[in-house]
This record gives sequence, structure tokens and C-alpha cells, in this order.
Amino acid sequence: GAVVSQHPSWVICKSGTSVKIECRSLDFQATTMFWYRQFPKQSLMLMATSNEGSKATYEQGVEKDKFLINHASLTLSTLTVTSAHPEDSSFYICSAPRQGRETQYFGPGTRLLVL
Amino acid sequence: AQTVTQSQPEMSVQEAETVTLSCTYDTSENNYYLFWYKQPPSRQMILVIRQEAYKQQNATENRFSVNFQKAAKSFSLKISDSQLGDTAMYFCAFMIRGIGNMLTFGGGTRLMVKP
Repeated sequence: GAVVSQHPSWVICKSGTSVKIECRSLDFQATTMFWYRQFPKQSLMLMATSNEGSKATYEQGVEKDKFLINHASLTLSTLTVTSAHPEDSSFYICSAPRQGRETQYFGPGTRLLVL
Repeated sequence: AQTVTQSQPEMSVQEAETVTLSCTYDTSENNYYLFWYKQPPSRQMILVIRQEAYKQQNATENRFSVNFQKAAKSFSLKISDSQLGDTAMYFCAFMIRGIGNMLTFGGGTRLMVKP
């Protein structure tokens, strides 16, 4: 099956620093990827749609300058949490739809803890 | 806009028994997909089953089957012969066919399989 990886799986950082999370589709190309945020015992909340070769589309209420998304190639999207604060601590998940299969495949997620 | 509702926040079932998880959705679209995803304690999202709205036949994957009632906008998941490894959060999700493959998730049902 299709595989999506995320790196890092865990990150602890100090308040005010920036953190980059990578999402890669390993055996297929993805012109679109999605970034979600998930709080404990809650559902996934879509943050933004990452588009290869163009700007990301952000959901209402998500700060573009706080969560920078770059879709550098057909297999890589990155989410940078800029000037992270404790309230940004969360579980971040990416997904990529595989064309022709009309199904999304998810990365294993990244746990971010901002101290 | 599409909405997905899972009315059972938590459920439990004895090992080897059968359990049904409920999901209803609201949409004005006619061509769409419905999914059940499983999220075990590892938090990796795993596709359990997929249903295409234009197919009347209910999807089945081994011990997992769905009851898709398009007119009622209902999409329940039946797990037969429950196993301890089925313990997880289960999310119902909706996707319009062909438009950016964005998923809309329900709030989730936490399933506990008891030995």
C-alpha cells in the first residue's frame, strides 16, 4: 500500500523557536497534501491544504504566518511552526491522496511539545 | 458544507462479539466517498473500509462491513468477531469525489474491546 512518512516523530523545543515538520509520500506523487492538528481525545482538524508549486490554502482561523507550508516537490511538503509557543503543542498529522485510488494515506504524525 | 456526526463517543464490546458504530452525514452532493479510519494508541491513521456512494452494495473487508443507507445519509461500521487489537478510536469521514480529496471527519468513537 501507499506509504507516507513524517519527520520528526517527536520534537521538544523552547518557546520562541521554529520547528519544521516534513511529510513525504514514499511510493507515489502527491500534488496535494493536507495538514491536520489533533488534540488529545479529539478528531482531526484540517489546518491547510498544501499545493505543489503554489501557495497553500489555509482553513479559517489558522494563522498563515504562524504555520508556514511549503510543497517543494511532488513528494515533499513541510510545515514550519514559527515562534512556537506552549499553546502550539499538539499532534500534527499529514496526509496525501493517491490519484486514481481516491483514498488518503496518512503519515504517522508528529508530537510537538513547546516548553 | 458537509458535516459528519458520530453519536457514540465511547463504546465497549466483549472479545469475539459484534459491535456496530454509527455515523450520519449531511451533504447536498451526489458523488462522494465515505470512509472509516482506525486510530490505535500509536495514533497512526489506518484506513479500515471505503464506500463509494454510487455503489449500492455495502463494502466489506474481512471482519469489517458497512451498512450504507444513502437516502438516510447513514454509514455504520460493523465489526464482527471483535479482537483486542480492534481497540482504537474510529473516525467516520466523507470526501466529495474529485474535488481536492479533502476529508471531513466525524468526532470519533472510542472503542474498547474487553477480554
